Order: sequence, then structure tokens, then C-alpha cells
Amino acid sequence: SQQGEEDPQALSIQEGENATMNCSYKTSINNLQWYRQNSGRGLVHLILIRSNEREKHSGRLRVTLDTSKKSSSLLITASRAADTASYFCATDAQGNTPLVFGKGTRLSVIA
Amino acid sequence: GAVVSQHPSRVICKSGTSVKIECRSLDFQATTMFWYRQFPKKSLMLMATSNEGSKATYEQGVEKDKFLINHASLTLSTLTVTSAHPEDSSFYICSAGSRRQGSGTQYFGPGTRLTVL
Repeated sequence: SQQGEEDPQALSIQEGENATMNCSYKTSINNLQWYRQNSGRGLVHLILIRSNEREKHSGRLRVTLDTSKKSSSLLITASRAADTASYFCATDAQGNTPLVFGKGTRLSVIA
Repeated sequence: GAVVSQHPSRVICKSGTSVKIECRSLDFQATTMFWYRQFPKKSLMLMATSNEGSKATYEQGVEKDKFLINHASLTLSTLTVTSAHPEDSSFYICSAGSRRQGSGTQYFGPGTRLTVL
């Protein structure tokens, strides 16, 4: 069963704006990961944040994790048209176990 | 980073035929691989966990006799969709974890799009 719930389900912004996507989950986790998927393509791993971490950066990406609220957010700064894709969060209960994916957020960045 | 390949990338078959999808870890050994299915505009759903040298563990609602999984070596797992029907049309994605890379990181294959006519 799916654990993560992304919010919003769809997001449309102008190029240059920031995009924030949220993810909530239900059970304890070892880590939480964010992935990007272009239409009809495979997954691209963006970032992994462990349960003992609160924030992580990678380029224009910033991920936060609040284990007390069982939630995470992905911030993409200075968005580009090439960022248009679906973004999924996925939780890993014990480390290297099957990932449980959220429903995803479809991001559209308009040039 | 570690690389996982899938073959074929796209397959179209007639209803009733069987289709085999291969998942290979190219530069690391994977004792465990995972198979996911993704319907259009939906998220990935875990189908089964493939363990090298032993039987796969299937998720509830996934028919083990229809989706045959074989993990014959540390670098290869196969998923065979037997007697495929149009409702089996989907995007099938495998992933593998690398012990060398440390726990938590999984590497996904590029996916196989199956269309059953």
C-alpha cells in the first residue's frame, strides 16, 4: 500500500519561481528519498535524507524532514522549464528495503 | 554511480502470450532486487521482492503464477508476465540496492513499457 502522500498533486509555476512539494507518510522510516520522473521515462534519484537528518541540499534542491510530523518537503529554487516532471517521495523503512512511493506531484514550469 | 539496465525497453505483444523482462545490475552485485509496476499517471506500486537463490516475495494482490520472478544470479533478475492480457499493460520498473554503496540507496532501471493488444 502507498504510504506517502504528496501535496499538491499538480503544480504550475513560471520559470524562475520556486516550487515546493510536500510529502507525508505514516510509519517509521530509515530514510526518505525524492525522485523525478519525466513523462514515460524512468526514475531519477534526486536526494536521500536519513531519519536523523533535518535538512539537506543538493544544487537547487532543498529537502527537509520532520519525523515528528512524518513529513518532508522538496524545494526547487529558480525553476527551469527542464524541471517539468513528476516528483515522488519514497520511504525506506529499514534501509535497502522496498520503497513505498507517494502518489506524486506533477510539476509544470512554464517558460 | 551504480547502473541498472532493463531489457527490453518497450514491448508490444498479443493477448495470451508471455513476455520476459530482464533486470541487470551492471557494476555491482545485488542480492535483492525489487519489481514495481506503474500505471499511466499513477505512482509506482511494489509487486515483489526478488531474492537471489530463493523464491520471490510477492505483495498482496499480485499473482505469483502470473508474474514469475527468477533471480538466478547476483546481477540478473527476470520478470515473466505469463498469458498477458490488456490489463497487464503497464510500465514495469526494477531496482536494486548495492551493499557497496551503503544502505538506503537504490538504483532503478529505465523501465519496460508493456503494451498488450
